[in-house]
Amino acid sequence: DTGVSQNPRHKITKRGQNVTFRCDPISEHNRLYWYRQTLGQGPEFLTYFQNEAQLEKSRLLSDRFSAERPKGSFSTLEIQRTEQGDSAMYLCASSSGRAGDLAGANVLTFGAGSRLTVL
Amino acid sequence: AQSVAQPEDQVNVAEGNPLTVKCTYSVSGNPYLFWYVQYPNRGLQFLLKYITGDNLVKGSYGFEAEFNKSQTSFHLKKPSALVSDSALYFCAVRDTEGSQGNLIFGKGTKLSVKP
Repeated sequence: DTGVSQNPRHKITKRGQNVTFRCDPISEHNRLYWYRQTLGQGPEFLTYFQNEAQLEKSRLLSDRFSAERPKGSFSTLEIQRTEQGDSAMYLCASSSGRAGDLAGANVLTFGAGSRLTVL
Repeated sequence: AQSVAQPEDQVNVAEGNPLTVKCTYSVSGNPYLFWYVQYPNRGLQFLLKYITGDNLVKGSYGFEAEFNKSQTSFHLKKPSALVSDSALYFCAVRDTEGSQGNLIFGKGTKLSVKP
């Protein structure tokens, strides 16, 4: 297993365009997270999947942001009508989780991130 | 509100000297605490965690952290720093108000170890 893979690593786009990022988690992990990191700040939680179910999406920054994990494997994060303020590093992480695990006790494995630059 | 504070933007240490990277937290309920390290162009890597039990937690690369409930702190330590320890370090706490315990991160501390 090569860990968590994110593509593209860097995306430059013009304001108003749509962008999509892909995350391939560790194959045996059933939980997948998206975070956003801006310069000088720590990662900020966006959304979370358990298998194909999106269990938390209230932290998505606006209705321009959406995420899917259609078959419980890879996930995509789409930003519609991008704005300059969307420029950031978008991080994906995955973890294992079983019934009975202490919620939040599992270690997250992060990908290297996808850097978005909106001109 | 739940939060993590890393009061130092940067910590400078000479190689071979002990290092401490500070972290304090504010969370409702039992804190689950984590340290991650980020090298340039690499993803965040897990170092160690405190869930319950012994207040002194040992992790990867010789790092350890001490959970202090009364001071709501979880400082990262290493007895002898290496130049290769130079990186960005993040403290995180489980978000007890979100589902499934998502992590709340501090803003990070840049550790610089000079030869």
